[in-house]
Amino acid sequence: GQQVKQSSPSLTVQEGGISILNCDYENDMFDYFAWYKKYPDNSPTLLISVRSNVDKREDGRLTVFLNKSGKHFSLHITASQPEDTAVYLCAAGAGYAQGLTFGLGTRVSVFP
Amino acid sequence: AQTIHQWPVAEIKAVGSPLSLGCTIKGKSSPNLYWYWQATGGTLQQLFYSITVGQVESVVQLNLSASRPKDDQFILSTEKLLLSHSGFYLCAWSRGGNQDTQYFGPGTRLLVL
Repeated sequence: GQQVKQSSPSLTVQEGGISILNCDYENDMFDYFAWYKKYPDNSPTLLISVRSNVDKREDGRLTVFLNKSGKHFSLHITASQPEDTAVYLCAAGAGYAQGLTFGLGTRVSVFP
Repeated sequence: AQTIHQWPVAEIKAVGSPLSLGCTIKGKSSPNLYWYWQATGGTLQQLFYSITVGQVESVVQLNLSASRPKDDQFILSTEKLLLSHSGFYLCAWSRGGNQDTQYFGPGTRLLVL
């Protein structure tokens, strides 16, 4: 089964609005959680990440919320802009170089 | 600053032919290196990782192999391509030790016919 799940394949938001992306995971060993942004035919770029000892982290318009007991983390993008239109991938890692497990992605479209 | 380079940028190959994809990272000694693969419409899936020269761990094989001949180089290869190997191959690096943050290369797009 998929260890990291993004339940919404797509999301449409009006410019200036808030985009909320969700990710659920299964592995209790995950202690690192990240969000990547990906344009078609391009590689993912890291947006923001947190470790399991933090339940919230803000960076500009981006906020990550982590709910470890619920095995859930989310990304909030405020003041959405057209350039936010992309695929957003959540990822989780269990530490020590073993790489990340990715979700399928959520395609966000920001319209004027 | 660190830079990661992948080659080739894109490749069209015949079923049954061999394949070699390369990845080089500059500006970082002893990085952890990773290969990921994404089929069209699929999830980004980790294939291999390496924490040191000559040592490679397999996560998902898919009839592919990987090698790390130098500290800054990671190679993905197979002697016989399958149609199912088509997709987008990404190399990534992270700092050594217990560092999860990964940075991706530009990727290689492979089409097997």
